Formats: sequence, structure tokens, C-alpha cells
Amino acid sequence: RKEVEQDPGPFNVPEGATVAFNCTYSNSASQSFFWYRQDCRKEPKLLMSVYSSGNEDGRFTAQLNRASQYISLLIRDSKLSDSATYLCVVIPGIYNQGGKLIFGQGTELSVKP
Amino acid sequence: NAGVTQTPKFQVLKTGQSMTLQCAQDMNHEYMSWYRQDPGMGLRLIHYSVGAGITDQGEVPNGYNVSRSTTEDFPLRLLSAAPSQTSVYFCASSRNGQGYYGYTFGSGTRLTVV
Repeated sequence: RKEVEQDPGPFNVPEGATVAFNCTYSNSASQSFFWYRQDCRKEPKLLMSVYSSGNEDGRFTAQLNRASQYISLLIRDSKLSDSATYLCVVIPGIYNQGGKLIFGQGTELSVKP
Repeated sequence: NAGVTQTPKFQVLKTGQSMTLQCAQDMNHEYMSWYRQDPGMGLRLIHYSVGAGITDQGEVPNGYNVSRSTTEDFPLRLLSAAPSQTSVYFCASSRNGQGYYGYTFGSGTRLTVV
């Protein structure tokens, strides 16, 4: 079983739609969680951190369920510019062993006019 | 511009050749790491460093070597290239190991081994 698993998609949605991505992780000691965005053939960029209480940044909402070891990302009112691959990222342990990011394989989103 | 600079952007190697992928950052970040990205696999950690003079292996270190003589630079060496090392390589750096400020990635090196 992979340490971080995501539905690879692709998710094809119309503009204005709400779309949700899910991610599960296997290491219960994981402490830090993130969503990164990766545009085609570009480098990953931090979209948002995921906090235990859940957090929102404009149209984006991230949730964490530690009991189920589950992370989600909700995108409301999708824009064409949201088309990208969304990467679930987990940092294992309290004391990160030197930048050890564990990536899911990514979920591809395509927003159509 | 501040950030992580990777060179070269593209490279074609013959099997058995060696080369060094360069990575430099000007943000005074202590944490630096190398990842490779393959289709359907996500990014996988090759080697990482928590500061000058300190390096360690990640998930897929075989066939790669690193050193960290300065805070700014973290080169990745391919000792004897193999077709299985065809991939996109990303270097990343962070101020904080827990990633609270995010990890900054370079734009990547696309390597093909023939």
C-alpha cells in the first residue's frame, strides 16, 4: 500500500462547478499535511497547508480527519485556471527527517468552459 | 529573483555516462532535497540535507550521490546513467523541516538516458 494515496482522476468539470479531492495516508504519526498544485511540466507549488481544524483560502477549503487518516480539498466555483494536478503531501513524524515529503501520485483536474 | 535554480533544464545521456545536476538556492534555507517524478508514481525522495555537510538517503537513492559543501548548493550526481533514471528531477528547499513555510521547488531537469 502506498503511504499517500489519491484518486488520479482525471476530473473533468464545467466552469463554476464544485469539486472535491480526497487523499488517505497510512502513517498515523504523520504531523503535517499540504496540498500542492502542479501545472503541466512545471514544478509543484504550495497551494495550502491543512490544519486539524480545517482551513479555507478563498474558494479552496482543506479538511483533515486524523481518525480516518484522510485529507480533502474542496474547490468551489471552479475556474479554467484551476486546471492542474493537485498533489497531496504528508510529512511523517514530529521531527521531519530533513525535508522528507511524501507525495500522492496527484489528481488531475480539467475545468472546461 | 530569489528561488531555487536548477541546471540544466534538459539533458540526454548515454547509458554509462555520468553527470551532475546542479541545484542552488539563495534563500538561506537549511533543508534541501532531490526528488524524481515518474508517470503514475508521484514524486519520490532521492537524497536530502538538513544543512551544510549533512546528507542522507531518501526512498530511491541507488545510483545517485550528493554532497552539501555550502548552504546554497546541493548537486546530484549520477554515477553511471541507466535508462531507468530517465525522469524529471526536482530540487526543493525549505526554511523549516516541517514545511510550515512551504517547500520551494526548482523548475526541474528533464533527463533522458538512451
